[in-house]
Amino acid sequence: NAGVTQTPKFRVLKTGQSMTLLCAQDMNHEYMYWYRQDPGMGLRLIHYSVGEGTTAKGEVPDGYNVSRLKKQNFLLGLESAAPSQTSVYFCASSRGHTWRETQYFGPGTRLLVL
Amino acid sequence: ELKVEQNPLFLSMQEGKNYTIYCNYSTTSDRLYWYRQDPGKSLESLFVLLSNGAVKQEGRLMASLDTKARLSTLHITAAVHDLSATYFCAVETSGSRLTFGEGTQLTVNP
Repeated sequence: NAGVTQTPKFRVLKTGQSMTLLCAQDMNHEYMYWYRQDPGMGLRLIHYSVGEGTTAKGEVPDGYNVSRLKKQNFLLGLESAAPSQTSVYFCASSRGHTWRETQYFGPGTRLLVL
Repeated sequence: ELKVEQNPLFLSMQEGKNYTIYCNYSTTSDRLYWYRQDPGKSLESLFVLLSNGAVKQEGRLMASLDTKARLSTLHITAAVHDLSATYFCAVETSGSRLTFGEGTQLTVNP
């Protein structure tokens, strides 16, 4: 039982390049989330999903797109990376609202945009 | 817009001492979470507080929730070096979304 995994762990991009971050969970969770964490700040929600095939915007969605084609996977895409997107990205999952329990976090992806 | 404020943001304390971290939030919610993050690591769940007056304890840490005051506290008893980390509170809103505080960076000195 791996929990929440993220790939890659670290990536360097040039401005304007695109990439996709993959989050996978093996806990059969309904809800999945993408956050970014910047120095001295808490986590900010980018996008989230309340089930397969659904996505919704969070607090800071601009410049990102997401897809949830399979229940266990949640993809975060950067179409044209900008230096302001340099951050650590965390994925999380939870069973859902009715379960009243915590979110489980992945190990994070460190992204540097030059 | 929901605001979640923690204080202090930085805390340096000696081993054996007690201290409290405060988490204030600006909207109605009866679900609050505390997480721990070690440098370069992911977030680890510490406590889930689901109702007014909830109190949870684990080892030297105790968390409480007062929904009427929109306040949660994380109390540290007889601190030890292993507790050095950054502690985040997070308030749940609709759709199981979490809004995080800025974090309290705790350093426990020998």
